[in-house]
Amino acid sequence: KNQVEQSPQSLIILEGKNCTLQCNYTVSPFSNLRWYKQDTGRGPVSLTIMTFSENTKSNGRYTATLDADTKQSSLHITASQLSDSASYICVVNTNAGKSTFGDGTTLTVKP
Amino acid sequence: GAGVSQSPRYKVAKRGQDVALRCDPISGHVSLFWYQQALGQGPEFLTYFQNEAQLDKSGLPSDRFFAERPEGSVSTLKIQRTQQEDSAVYLCASSLARTSGDQFFGPGTRLTVL
Repeated sequence: KNQVEQSPQSLIILEGKNCTLQCNYTVSPFSNLRWYKQDTGRGPVSLTIMTFSENTKSNGRYTATLDADTKQSSLHITASQLSDSASYICVVNTNAGKSTFGDGTTLTVKP
Repeated sequence: GAGVSQSPRYKVAKRGQDVALRCDPISGHVSLFWYQQALGQGPEFLTYFQNEAQLDKSGLPSDRFFAERPEGSVSTLKIQRTQQEDSAVYLCASSLARTSGDQFFGPGTRLTVL
């Protein structure tokens, strides 16, 4: 049913380690892809936005990649911090402005 | 205001009750969205407004769900005769435009139907 699939569903890493979250999509026509961070009890906050022609985009310790041919995106987090513990949601938007959300990856960073 | 606000933050309703959830978008944002987020899942689109016009309500799950934005700013999502399956977090987001603007989300209203 969901046209945006994220993996893994959950992830536990130690503080200071890196991790990579995956997003595969079938949504079309593709306009852009966004990664959001959602802290518990809060609304999602945008981290990055990527259009069709962009392969990579960074925002501090967050780096997103996009392969529009294979319809895959990843979010890489470097030097993780305890405050990175959250749900990370991949959202694909169509040209008409329709947003399809993945179910998110729940990241837990432990000291 | 500085961001999107929603009220109440938490709502407990008995099955069959009507509820009204309020969203105050960022001033000047033309687009307003309502989403339903079940536990452990991503938000699911409910409806979209451009100013006061409800341009897309394809995500509303039943005719018990009704949304309005009469003056193009504050929006209310109303759920009539609530059912247990309506229990979820209801998120509101606003943006400058549907197709190009970043969506700014409110904190959500957690609805629990007993």
